This record gives sequence, structure tokens and C-alpha cells, in this order.
Amino acid sequence: GESVGLHLPTLSVQEGDNSIINCAYSNSASDYFIWYKQESGKGPQFIIDIRSNMDKRQGQRVTVLLNKTVKHLSLQIAATQPGDSAVYFCAEGLSEKLVFGKGTKLTVNP
Amino acid sequence: DSGVTQTPKHLITATGQRVTLRCSPRSGDLSVYWYQQSLDQGLQFLIQYYNGEERAKGNILERFSAQQFPDLHSELNLSSLELGDSALYFCASSVVQADTEAFFGQGTRLTVV
Repeated sequence: GESVGLHLPTLSVQEGDNSIINCAYSNSASDYFIWYKQESGKGPQFIIDIRSNMDKRQGQRVTVLLNKTVKHLSLQIAATQPGDSAVYFCAEGLSEKLVFGKGTKLTVNP
Repeated sequence: DSGVTQTPKHLITATGQRVTLRCSPRSGDLSVYWYQQSLDQGLQFLIQYYNGEERAKGNILERFSAQQFPDLHSELNLSSLELGDSALYFCASSVVQADTEAFFGQGTRLTVV
């Protein structure tokens, strides 16, 4: 069945370091992927997306890499800041349906 | 502030009861999505409406239903509530039908006792 999972439930980094959050997906037919950030008490916030015909996309301090061969997605955050502390979800999409992973909690230590 | 408004923020009700959650999308957004977030299941897509019509259905129970009204606000109705329905319910909206950049509301925390 459709499933999206994350390799690590928690990730702790030092302020200023780069963070890499990983995600495995199972549906090779998914045509887009999205990373969301969810801070405590708030709804998920869109970070970046990538279409299945791409393997890399960059945003402001973030880069998403897609490896369709191994069905792997990653989110790289450069120069991680305390404000980046949150739970990060990857989601895979097919048409209008999104399947979310359970999330990785990122903690940034000062 | 995402521009998506959900009410109420918190709801406590007893098993067997029925509740209605309300969502006002961002101005101009035609698509509304409903999600359930629980500790053990993560974020689960429930249903999507576009301009008043149902467009996609996810893991939505038969006890749950939703609709989108002509003014584009949406309601999620949950009936015959069970303890396991306790969760955060999020609404999201986007301009078009399959817009990846959907904006989420703050959610309604439902507690069934």
C-alpha cells in the first residue's frame, strides 16, 4: 500500500550546522513530493516541493533531493537556526492526494 | 498567519456524539483539504473539495462527512464519535485543484471522552 516513512524520528544539531532529514517513499507513481515544517501548536507549513521529473530543487537555505532509483527524498537545511526547530514531514502526492510520513523532530542546540 | 481559519480551536465531547468543524479558506482559494493528525497515525488526508465539489477522498471513515458551501467555507462532520477519533483536525486551502503549496489552518483539537 501507499506509505511514506522517515528514517529517524529525532535529529539534534548544533546551531550553524547543516541538517539533513531523510524520507523513504513507496509509491513509484507519485508525481510530486513536499516537505512541511510543523512548529508546536501550529499547522504544517509548506517548505519546498519537487516534481518527480526533477532530482534537485533549491530554496532559501533549503535543498530537496529526490532519488527515484531508491525512492528516497531528503531535505537539507543550511546553517540551521533555532527557529528551524520543529517537526518535519515529507509527503508524496499523486493527483490531489497526499500521503504524509510520521515526521522527524529537529532540535537545534545553541 | 496562514489566512486559513478553523473553529473551534478546541472541542471536548463524549463518545457517541456528533460535532462539526468549520474551515474558512484563504481569500480566493477554491480548494479545501481536511486532514487528521494523531500521534500514532501521523497526518492522514481525509477529503478534498474544489469549488463546492468533492475531488479526492482519502482515509475518511463513513461516520465522517464534509461539504464545501457556495461561499467556499467547509465543514467536517464527525458522528458517532469514538475515543480513537481524538486528534487534531487540520484544514488546508489552495488556489487550484492540485496546488502543492496548500496553506494550513491552526487546527481543531478534538478530545473524545
